[in-house]
Amino acid sequence: DAGVIQSPRHEVTEMGQEVTLRCKPISGHDYLFWYRQTMMRGLELLIYFNNNVPIDDSGMPEDRFSAKMPNASFSTLKIQPSEPRDSAVYFCASSHRKGNPEAFFGQGTRLTVV
Amino acid sequence: GQQVMQIPQYQHVQEGEDFTTYCNSSTTLSNIQWYKQRPGGHPVFLIQLVKSGEVKKQKRLTFQFGEAKKNSSLHITATQTTDVGTYFCANAGNNRKLIWGLGTSLAVNP
Repeated sequence: DAGVIQSPRHEVTEMGQEVTLRCKPISGHDYLFWYRQTMMRGLELLIYFNNNVPIDDSGMPEDRFSAKMPNASFSTLKIQPSEPRDSAVYFCASSHRKGNPEAFFGQGTRLTVV
Repeated sequence: GQQVMQIPQYQHVQEGEDFTTYCNSSTTLSNIQWYKQRPGGHPVFLIQLVKSGEVKKQKRLTFQFGEAKKNSSLHITATQTTDVGTYFCANAGNNRKLIWGLGTSLAVNP
């Protein structure tokens, strides 16, 4: 398995633009998590899905952030409009409901909003 | 809500010295997981502890879960430059949601 795949790896965009981050979880995993990591706030859980259904989006900072999971193999995190304070590394992770609840992380997307 | 506190925030050691990071909670934890994140990388799972007083070893790494299941530690014996990174503890709920500590960043002088 290729692991959790995120794209793009790096994104530089201007303030006010729409940004879409993409994630392909490990096949067969039924949990998908979106995290944001900054030096100031560490790892923050934004939202997570179980069987493609959003379970907890309390970590989504504002209405500018939205996430979807149209099927078991794809999820997106969208920021519209983007702001400089959204600059961070965004990680997607997946896990399986059975067995060890280890979370497998993607390589992350480094977002810079200028 | 439940929080997991991790100390120290930073640790700088000479290669060959030992290193320990601690994870504490005010409530009883069902489990504790440890992850390592290399600079520029992503968190990678190291281990999970679930039993009171549990001790597990991975080469030079020793993981402990407290008797009351409210604290945990990760000890590295004779650090190497390859140990550089940030070590996170996390508690996994039944819903697979992880509550994370802020991490301990380890720097190793060769």
